[in-house]
Amino acid sequence: DTEVTQTPKHLVMGMTNKKSLKCEQHMGHRAMYWYKQKAKKPPELMFVYSYEKLSINESVPSRFSPECPNSSLLNLHLHALQPEDSALYLCASSQKDRGSREKLFFGSGTQLSVL
Amino acid sequence: AQTVTQSQPEMSVQEAETVTLSCTYDTSESDYYLFWYKQPPSRQMILVIRQEAYKQQNATENRFSVNFQKAAKSFSLKISDSQLGDAAMYFCAYRSAYAGGTSYGKLTFGQGTILTVHP
Repeated sequence: DTEVTQTPKHLVMGMTNKKSLKCEQHMGHRAMYWYKQKAKKPPELMFVYSYEKLSINESVPSRFSPECPNSSLLNLHLHALQPEDSALYLCASSQKDRGSREKLFFGSGTQLSVL
Repeated sequence: AQTVTQSQPEMSVQEAETVTLSCTYDTSESDYYLFWYKQPPSRQMILVIRQEAYKQQNATENRFSVNFQKAAKSFSLKISDSQLGDAAMYFCAYRSAYAGGTSYGKLTFGQGTILTVHP
């Protein structure tokens, strides 16, 4: 299994809603990532979890709250979002091999629309 | 901080022809990794090819090859025998090798090049 599975694929929410994005991988990877991507722009890193601990937070607003309950699962909790937060949210996972070569596997993303 | 620049917002190629996408980067580090990712309309990010900076030999993956010029900080992607399925946005990306032990580093992307393949 070389997949990173993201649910839901599409999400529409109001500015007062609370929702969560889910990301799952069963490759035994110990690093997981959240990226945000606007249309026709490159992905921007939001968070990195390494061994279930938050290792990088790229100054993301607190209305985005990541959670890594176990090594296979990564959540992104959303609360009081703004319309400008509408974007594709990509999850990725990675693991270094014996030679410290790292390969990133991306999920297919959740397209989020905030009304 | 590292930066990655793709100077070609759009490129086009005829089916079966060859096209080269450009990428330059800026870094003060000596050990790092470079990648080309493909993002088709499905928006799935797909790794096309990777290059370790310590390797002088250019990486190849079937119809995809790179021209890695470390001194010039240049990392171009050549697609041979272009196919309709190659149409996508292509991102060049950089990652430091100095992530340190079990910590993981940040992937820095260029702005992307939209590749159109004409039949």
